[in-house]
Amino acid sequence: DADVTQTPRNRITKTGKRIMLECSQTKGHDRMYWYRQDPGLGLQLIYYSFDVKDINKGEISDGYSVSRQAQAKFSLSLESAIPNQTALYFCATSSGELGGGYTFGSGTRLTVV
Amino acid sequence: DAKTTQPPSMDCAEGRAANLPCNHSTISGNEYVYWYRQIHSQGPQYIIHGLKNNETNEMASLIITEDRKSSTLILPHATLRDTAVYYCIVPSGGSNYKLTFGKGTLLTVNP
Repeated sequence: DADVTQTPRNRITKTGKRIMLECSQTKGHDRMYWYRQDPGLGLQLIYYSFDVKDINKGEISDGYSVSRQAQAKFSLSLESAIPNQTALYFCATSSGELGGGYTFGSGTRLTVV
Repeated sequence: DAKTTQPPSMDCAEGRAANLPCNHSTISGNEYVYWYRQIHSQGPQYIIHGLKNNETNEMASLIITEDRKSSTLILPHATLRDTAVYYCIVPSGGSNYKLTFGKGTLLTVNP
């Protein structure tokens, strides 16, 4: 099983619909992250959580919300999807150790029509 | 985060060493240099990191200049599967660092 699992892998939704992307990790790490990637660009941080009771906005949080249900689970919601939220979404986890790396999931490809 | 500068693209012949440069002239004394790669639309993959000394692991070597203003990621024997975008990242924030991705270098390994 993958260390970081994202569901769904692909999703097409209509403008105005609410959608939730889910992420779970088996690394036992406290820290989790949601990133967005637009074609040809680097990843941008949407939200991050350093532990279950800690939620922080990243660079591009408008239009998104998150829920940290447990140490292992971190969900991203689009309350009312719009076409410019069409992108590749990645979840990641890290230990928080200085010098420690991030482990990323395989991504969710979201299309808003 | 310290600003990093990487060439937008590079080519390498299969079996040869790939040397990917990164400039980070504003790096602070306690900031690490991280390298990640992203193979076409997959999740980024951690490669290596370093602070001052050169580092080597099973994937690559990282050479950091003595003044720490630049570094080079070396893939000793590039294969076609190493074709990817390589990101050099120098995050601030100590143990609370968050990765910020630029556009990276697209390395194309040619047969």
